[in-house]
Amino acid sequence: GESVGLHLPTLSVQEGDNSIINCAYSNSASDYFIWYKQESGKGPQFIIDIRSNMDKRQGQRVTVLLNKTVKHLSLQIAATQPGDSAVYFCAEIVGSGNTPLVFGKGTRLSVIA
Amino acid sequence: AAGVIQSPRHLIKEKRETATLKCYPIPRHDTVYWYQQGPGQDPQFLISFYEKMQSDKGSIPDRFSAQQFSDYHSELNMSSLELGDSALYFCASSTRWGGYTFGSGTRLTVV
Repeated sequence: GESVGLHLPTLSVQEGDNSIINCAYSNSASDYFIWYKQESGKGPQFIIDIRSNMDKRQGQRVTVLLNKTVKHLSLQIAATQPGDSAVYFCAEIVGSGNTPLVFGKGTRLSVIA
Repeated sequence: AAGVIQSPRHLIKEKRETATLKCYPIPRHDTVYWYQQGPGQDPQFLISFYEKMQSDKGSIPDRFSAQQFSDYHSELNMSSLELGDSALYFCASSTRWGGYTFGSGTRLTVV
């Protein structure tokens, strides 16, 4: 039969509320971080990025916070909408843009209408 | 804007068969990456190419090989397929300044 994959952490939020998705990274040498959104059967879609010389970056309805002291990254989504329902991954890179991304464990966000 | 193009979108193969996946990066992107994603798992890096040379190697099985051609497109060749190879395979491309962009993936089913 079909193998069962790892169970993803799930965050359920009410439509209109703010969402906070957390990610712990392991490599203190990582200097570039990206959040991706992945809908079922589709490729990861870029949301927002941040470099290690920053601790906060804002986009449209999204904010990324970086705490290098505890190696923690968070993605805040304001006024969460049903279209935000997806799996969210953080990814880290050590070095230049020619280096492979290393993905963290995803979080499934479910928006309750 | 041009995106990363992958083909085919879906592929069904039998055990022990061979499969070839193709990836066309964003124009002027010089690095191509291949990732494997099993059900409910995070994408796992397989292999990458910079300027047509293999640059980094991840958890790619010996049964798999890849190359990047003169037009920068890349192909992932998978031989002696096993049931456990069933997964989504993503290609991504970037420049040295970043710009990591993923394709829509190829869903490989081995039966």
